[in-house]
Parts: sequence; structure tokens; C-alpha cells
Amino acid sequence: AQSVTQLGSHVSVSEGALVLLRCNYSSSVPPYLFWYVQYPNQGLQLLLKYTSAATLVKGINGFEAEFKKSETSFHLTKPSAHMSDAAEYFCAVNRMNTGFQKLVFGTGTRLLVSP
Amino acid sequence: SQTIHQWPATLVQPVGSPLSLECTVEGTSNPNLYWYRQAAGRGLQLLFYSVGIGQISSEVPQNLSASRPQDRQFILSSKKLLLSDSGFYLCAWSRIIQETQYFGPGTRLLVL
Repeated sequence: AQSVTQLGSHVSVSEGALVLLRCNYSSSVPPYLFWYVQYPNQGLQLLLKYTSAATLVKGINGFEAEFKKSETSFHLTKPSAHMSDAAEYFCAVNRMNTGFQKLVFGTGTRLLVSP
Repeated sequence: SQTIHQWPATLVQPVGSPLSLECTVEGTSNPNLYWYRQAAGRGLQLLFYSVGIGQISSEVPQNLSASRPQDRQFILSSKKLLLSDSGFYLCAWSRIIQETQYFGPGTRLLVL
């Protein structure tokens, strides 16, 4: 069964520092992988997705993620954190079910950015 | 462009009262629709999904039900709310056979 694990429920960085949010997946078939961001009291917004094309995926707001099959990882990075990046980030993997695709989400990582 | 609406934005209800949350999608036809619940400090749990009018699949047994009376309308209901029904409810849509889901703004439900 497909699943994702996000290491670290909270990550704290200083403004301008590198952001690294970790996601490892488990899938018996080539996965589609996603990162979503959730700002307080809002819905989820798609940051980026991997669908078996380029292994390095660029998303919105300067974020990118690299699919590494050998490590079963899909970590999210940003070279320089902004205060506005403070939010909760969710990794997700698709799950096929009789032709209908569903997403399985990780438990989320809250990113805290300090001045 | 497509937009997804949810209402109400927040709701405070007593235990044992009924519930109706509504989700509508604009700018697309025959979408797949989803209801998720997000409890405090936890990830997203898929509650229901629908591939068409009147077609509802439940992911977990619970006190809630869903209906899809129109193509772009998805309703989450309960006859009697429990304290454990409190949470943030998110509706999402996707195109048929597409994997990307797009989320609404959510409804925060507090059951007292």
C-alpha cells in the first residue's frame, strides 16, 4: 500500500536559511508525489508534483523537490526562507484503487521562520 | 478558471445536533469530489469521494454521510454530531483520471 512519512512535525529556520522538509514514500508502483502548503485557517495549495517526468521538480514560491528512487525520497527544499513561508507542508502520494486515484497524505511538517 | 467554495467557514454546534456542510465547484464539469477531515495536529483523512452524481464511496466508518445531488455539489452531513466530529473539513476536486486535487478553503467545525 502506498504511504508517505514526513520526518519532523516541526522545522525551524532563520530567514534567509535553507529550507529542507523531508518526505519518504512507500509504493509498490511508480508513484506520483505531491507537496501541498497550508496557511493558517486555509485550504491546501499545490506547491509541486512529480509525475515521472523530470526528477527535479520546480514549484511555486521558489520551492523545488527531487525524486530519488534509490532513497524513496521526495524532499522539499528552498534555498532561502522568507517569513511568508511559515506554514504547514504536506507530502502526498497517489493511491490507485480500481482505476480511481486517491491521495494519501503525510502528517505534515510545520515550518517556523524566525527573523 | 476553476474555483471551489465551501460554507460555512466556521461552525459551532452542540453535541447531538445535525450538520450540513456544502461544497461547490465552478468552471469544470463532472469532477471527482472529495471530503477530508483534518483533526488538530494530525494529517488529512479522506472521508468520502464521489465520481458522479449520486455515487458516494466511504473511506472510513463514521457518524457522517455524504451526498452529491448535482454534478458540482457535494454535501457532508450528520444526523447527530459527536464531540469527536470537531475538526477542519476540506473539500477537494480533481479532473477525471487526473491525480492532482485542488482544495477549498475549508470549514472549521467545533462541537461542544
